[in-house]
Amino acid sequence: SAVISQKPSRDICQRGTSLTIQCQVDSQVTMMFWYRQQPGQSLTLIATANQGSEATYESGFVIDKFPISRPNLTFSTLTVSNMSPEDSSIYLCSELPTGSYNEQFFGPGTRLTVL
Amino acid sequence: LAKTTQPISMDSYEGQEVNITCSHNNIATNDYITWYQQFPSQGPRFIIQGYKTKVTNEVASLFIPADRKSSTLSLPRVSLSDTAVYYCLVGDPNNAGNMLTFGGGTRLMVKP
Repeated sequence: SAVISQKPSRDICQRGTSLTIQCQVDSQVTMMFWYRQQPGQSLTLIATANQGSEATYESGFVIDKFPISRPNLTFSTLTVSNMSPEDSSIYLCSELPTGSYNEQFFGPGTRLTVL
Repeated sequence: LAKTTQPISMDSYEGQEVNITCSHNNIATNDYITWYQQFPSQGPRFIIQGYKTKVTNEVASLFIPADRKSSTLSLPRVSLSDTAVYYCLVGDPNNAGNMLTFGGGTRLMVKP
């Protein structure tokens, strides 16, 4: 199974600042994703991180607020920009391994609190 | 995408069998049913996937009736460590975009 790490695991930030979350996978994968999980809620897909091109965002999420990079097949970052308390959530990255869309692997998540 | 409906929460006791049902009335021909488990402070992890009839692995069983409009995740003899949120997803695994929508999930509480 895939091993996915995220950094930081948690952070407390002031409103108006930005935070970049890193996601590293241990094998070359074709698809990486970013999700948000608000307290007590289910997961909501933010975007698909595309290698070498702009991310594909879901409805309600925009690049200016959540810029995403994916410089290679095993690494991606999500930035939460100009944060407000409403951005307090857990942010998770995930990947679907090459050739298999049956099982998605998730990182441990980054717990963000915005004051 | 097929919409799924699950109970919001369930309680059980250690040693009991737990059955969590998911409704997916508009499931498509190519759709599979996938269940994930999420512990507090962790990302979801895959439990089981099936297309029809019954699938069993070391963790759970998945029962799917002939019409495939629902499915039941069965956890045998639960322990306190099975306390988690369980998500049912329905989608065509040949299309990655179909495998990314999580429903509300069922919060299972196992009591001593």
